[in-house]
Amino acid sequence: QAVLTQPSSLSASPGASASLTCTLRSGFNIATYRIYWYQQKPGSPPQFLLRYKSDSDREQGSGVPSRFSGFKDASANAGILLISGLQSDDEADYYCMIWHSNAVVFGGGTKLTVL
Amino acid sequence: EVQLVESGGGLVQPGGSLRLSCAASGFTFSSYEMNWVRQAPGKGLEWVSYISDSGRTIYYADSVRGRFTISRDNAKNSLYLLINSLRAEDTAIYYCARDRILDGAFDIWGPGTRVTVSS
Repeated sequence: QAVLTQPSSLSASPGASASLTCTLRSGFNIATYRIYWYQQKPGSPPQFLLRYKSDSDREQGSGVPSRFSGFKDASANAGILLISGLQSDDEADYYCMIWHSNAVVFGGGTKLTVL
Repeated sequence: EVQLVESGGGLVQPGGSLRLSCAASGFTFSSYEMNWVRQAPGKGLEWVSYISDSGRTIYYADSVRGRFTISRDNAKNSLYLLINSLRAEDTAIYYCARDRILDGAFDIWGPGTRVTVSS
């Protein structure tokens, strides 16, 4: 079982909100991790969106709109990237990431389609 | 402008070696930890290696430990990745990424350099 699991795809309508989940493997406590989120468009490198551990430990990437926000669902042991007011330009792959035991782990990524 | 630019990729035969470079500009390179991340065709991101600002601390992914060597030259504002015993599964775009100070976020990425391992 992968350390970080993301749904492979998600579709949502323009103007709506989309919740992208990043589930941490059982045995890992989501509360102890900073979750980093990245956006990647075809042919381009990833771009840092935000970091979220708690409401007091969070950071938005430079120039990233407030429409992008991070949360956690402790009951699901998951990090969540919420994108509100979806725009066609939000269509991209989204990856979550953590640091664990002197290594970085990426989730498998979610392809967000806005239609 | 803060920038990272990778170079050194190409077509290599299995078993061969390659040295990738990452040139940094627009920021004090010696103050930042750095990483290599790769992405196989049509696949997700895979972290490869980390190096501290001084170069004294280094980490590798299990999948590359023993074959890959990360290094840096702060006087030349450059990061390197030496890849030995190349395998088909090493075929990927290799990105260098800056590690934001005291944060762990990869806030600046280069455009990547493509490595293809094939006979």
